[in-house]
Amino acid sequence: DTGVSQDPRHKITKRGQNVTFRCDPISEHNRLYWYRQTLGQGPEFLTYFQNEAQLEKSRLLSDRFSAERPKGSFSTLEIQRTEQGDSAMYLCASSFIEGARNGYTFGSGTRLTVV
Amino acid sequence: DAKTTQPTSMDCAEGRAANLPCNHSTISGNEYVYWYRQIHSQGPQYIIHGLKNNETNEMASLIITEDRKSSTLILPHATLRDTAVYYCIADTGTASKLTFGTGTRLQVTL
Repeated sequence: DTGVSQDPRHKITKRGQNVTFRCDPISEHNRLYWYRQTLGQGPEFLTYFQNEAQLEKSRLLSDRFSAERPKGSFSTLEIQRTEQGDSAMYLCASSFIEGARNGYTFGSGTRLTVV
Repeated sequence: DAKTTQPTSMDCAEGRAANLPCNHSTISGNEYVYWYRQIHSQGPQYIIHGLKNNETNEMASLIITEDRKSSTLILPHATLRDTAVYYCIADTGTASKLTFGTGTRLQVTL
């Protein structure tokens, strides 16, 4: 296991198009998190899953955003009708419930540019 | 989560110790101090965490004051590869969301 994988690494899309990102967490980890990071800012929490259940969603996650984690394995984050303000780095992280005190493991992110 | 305050930026000469301060005067008794760093174009990387006692691992040392209102992350022999943004976070560690600030941008120079 090489860590948390995110695909694609970069995505350029036109305003109004839909995009979907994928995250493959560390296989034994039962929690999976999505964050968004804009230039010069720290990552901001979007949502997290425990196994397949989505337990919390941030107010940042507007109706155009949807996240899934079918079967409690990989996760997808979809943005519908993209806007220029959606341009950001989208980061995925995973952890054990019990091991959260030992830190989260983040992927390298998907950089979205909406033109 | 308690708010943390860090300097915006710091410089350090390669081979010297980098001491990164963090203030967390409102930290509660069940909150740990976590440090992450983010190298350009990568995701954050966990470094170390502590509750009350000083901690050391292969990456760094964490010194927490007795009143727990502040802490210092020490990179004993900084290298150019340690150039990154360092985030100090107070969190209970119960696997809920982490709240990142803007961190300290550490520049290690020759």
